[in-house]
Amino acid sequence: DAGVIQSPRHEVTEMGQEVTLRCKPISGHNSLFWYRQTMMRGLELLIYFNNNVPIDDSGMPEDRFSAKMPNASFSTLKIQPSEPRDSAVYFCASTPGTRYHEQYFGPGTRLTVT
Amino acid sequence: AQKITQTQPGMFVQEKEAVTLDCTYDTSDQSYGLFWYKQPSSGEMIFLIYQGSYDEQNATEGRYSLNFQKARKSANLVISASQLGDSAMYFCAMRDVETSGSRLTFGEGTQLTVNP
Repeated sequence: DAGVIQSPRHEVTEMGQEVTLRCKPISGHNSLFWYRQTMMRGLELLIYFNNNVPIDDSGMPEDRFSAKMPNASFSTLKIQPSEPRDSAVYFCASTPGTRYHEQYFGPGTRLTVT
Repeated sequence: AQKITQTQPGMFVQEKEAVTLDCTYDTSDQSYGLFWYKQPSSGEMIFLIYQGSYDEQNATEGRYSLNFQKARKSANLVISASQLGDSAMYFCAMRDVETSGSRLTFGEGTQLTVNP
């Protein structure tokens, strides 16, 4: 199994630009989570989906952030426009629907906004 | 209110010795799960061990064990026979089903350094 796949692994962009992060969950997993990790705030859940439906987006910082899951094998997290304070590592994780035990994390996308 | 508290920002241990990483939690739910993850310097998050609130026995996975004391609301991670490769950041996390559904709440982490 390939595990959770995230792309790009690193992204450097200028303030004001649109950024799109991508995630492919493990096949057969039907819950997907987007996290952000910073030194100041630690690991924060931004949003999660169950069966492609957003369940809890209370962690999304503001309207500049949006997430979609058009099908069971793909999700995007978009930031438009990006700001320097969005610089962080963004993780995607997935978990099987019937076992809410461990979440399997992707390798993360390190985003730098200059 | 802080749901997960890891009071040790940094810990040091000698290779081959055991080490305990502390974690306390706060929830009013009866059903919840406790997790430990390892994050090496390479950045990935690696699941280590899980304990359910109704599990009567402490969870064990190889060299990892979870010292679960429900009345004290603590879920300490014990690593036996430390190895140099255990040097990493360790995060405790909780999923309280009734309150938070599937979301995990993470502690601030403990940086473990294993000395040769």
